[in-house]
Amino acid sequence: GAVVSQHPSWVICKSGTSVKIECRSLDFQATTMFWYRQFPKQSLMLMATSNEGSKATYEQGVEKDKFLINHASLTLSTLTVTSAHPEDSSFYICSAPTGGRAGANVLTFGAGSRLTVL
Amino acid sequence: GIQVEQSPPDLILQEGANSTLRCNFSDSVNNLQWFHQNPWGQLINLFYIPSGTKQNGRLSATTVATERYSLLYISSSQTTDSGVYFCAVIAGGTSYGKLTFGQGTILTVHP
Repeated sequence: GAVVSQHPSWVICKSGTSVKIECRSLDFQATTMFWYRQFPKQSLMLMATSNEGSKATYEQGVEKDKFLINHASLTLSTLTVTSAHPEDSSFYICSAPTGGRAGANVLTFGAGSRLTVL
Repeated sequence: GIQVEQSPPDLILQEGANSTLRCNFSDSVNNLQWFHQNPWGQLINLFYIPSGTKQNGRLSATTVATERYSLLYISSSQTTDSGVYFCAVIAGGTSYGKLTFGQGTILTVHP
């Protein structure tokens, strides 16, 4: 089946640095990808929608200048956490529609990226 | 926005037991998916089931859209079934792909 690949799976960085997370669709094209965040022992919350060829749309309360999203091609979306601080430490997960004929609403998720900011 | 409630929040089973997880949602949906999040955080698609019944091995799911709930059945549970089970929906009329997740059910299966 369709696979969404996410890299890196975990990253530790110093406060004030920027971190880039990549999300790739393997063997299929994704004009739209979605970025979620999950804090420990909590559910997933949608952060933003990444659109190939246009600006990302952010959910209410998500700082677009802190979480930069670039959908560079039909198979790659990147999330850059800029000037990271300890409160940005979280599990970041991307997803893409993979429903094919079953419907574009079927989402498949990457393995996630665990960010720890010291 | 749409509300998604899952029950029970925690479930502890002995290997071999059966269980039922429930997901209630507050509005009509055009997508409902069940996921299993393993200990490493990977979300695994179990079912895409906005309505009806599906079965896959020891797992089955039923969604009664008119009554706004879905059930996930796990039969003959195994220790590898442990993890968090999430129900997620897309409300009717919402932009596609915007899944709203429930709080999850933490399942622990003991040998």
